[in-house]
Amino acid sequence: EAEVAQSPRYKITEKSQAVAFWCDPISGHATLYWYRQILGQGPELLVQFQDESVVDDSQLPKDRFSAERLKGVDSTLKIQPAELGDSAMYLCASSLRPSGTIYEQYFGPGTRLTVT
Amino acid sequence: GQSLEQPSEVTAVEGAIVQINCTYQTSGFYGLSWYQQHDGGAPTFLSYNALDGLEETGRFSSFLSRSDSYGYLLLQELQMKDSASYFCAPYGGDKLIFGTGTRLQVFP
Repeated sequence: EAEVAQSPRYKITEKSQAVAFWCDPISGHATLYWYRQILGQGPELLVQFQDESVVDDSQLPKDRFSAERLKGVDSTLKIQPAELGDSAMYLCASSLRPSGTIYEQYFGPGTRLTVT
Repeated sequence: GQSLEQPSEVTAVEGAIVQINCTYQTSGFYGLSWYQQHDGGAPTFLSYNALDGLEETGRFSSFLSRSDSYGYLLLQELQMKDSASYFCAPYGGDKLIFGTGTRLQVFP
């Protein structure tokens, strides 16, 4: 069964350092999402891509976060510099068609980030 | 504005039936999704209701009343493996909105 791949699974970094996460969505899924999930809360959408274009990045802290999906397939989320409050699970998800199935998203295993 | 309300925690015993309620207020509404997330795991899609009424998928059913901005997830014949967090997520046509979820604990 096809899955969303993410790496690394765990990342410990010191504050002010740069960190990057990678996501490979299910093959053929045009829409890709990055979420942040703080322990005890639900996922919060950071950025949504349609192919290689950003559709929604209204909740992305653009002073320190950046995301790209250059060829419309895999994607990278970067934080520079990391702050203590960035400690969270970063989840990547994908869905099949541009709008028809946004309500049905497939999530990767996530990257657990700890900033010290 | 937007708001989403679910109970923070629900407990039940194996074999029982449990209902997790969700009330929402969103700007634009197309339907309601439900996701399950085990501790340390990724959310997984359970169901989606676009129309009023009950949708059944095995032991799980989901209900929507658009006029009441209300939905629920019904879990029957509870098993230990159902212990997880459950999120209702209104779909506004462009994205899902996740609340804080309901933590279900199933006891033997």
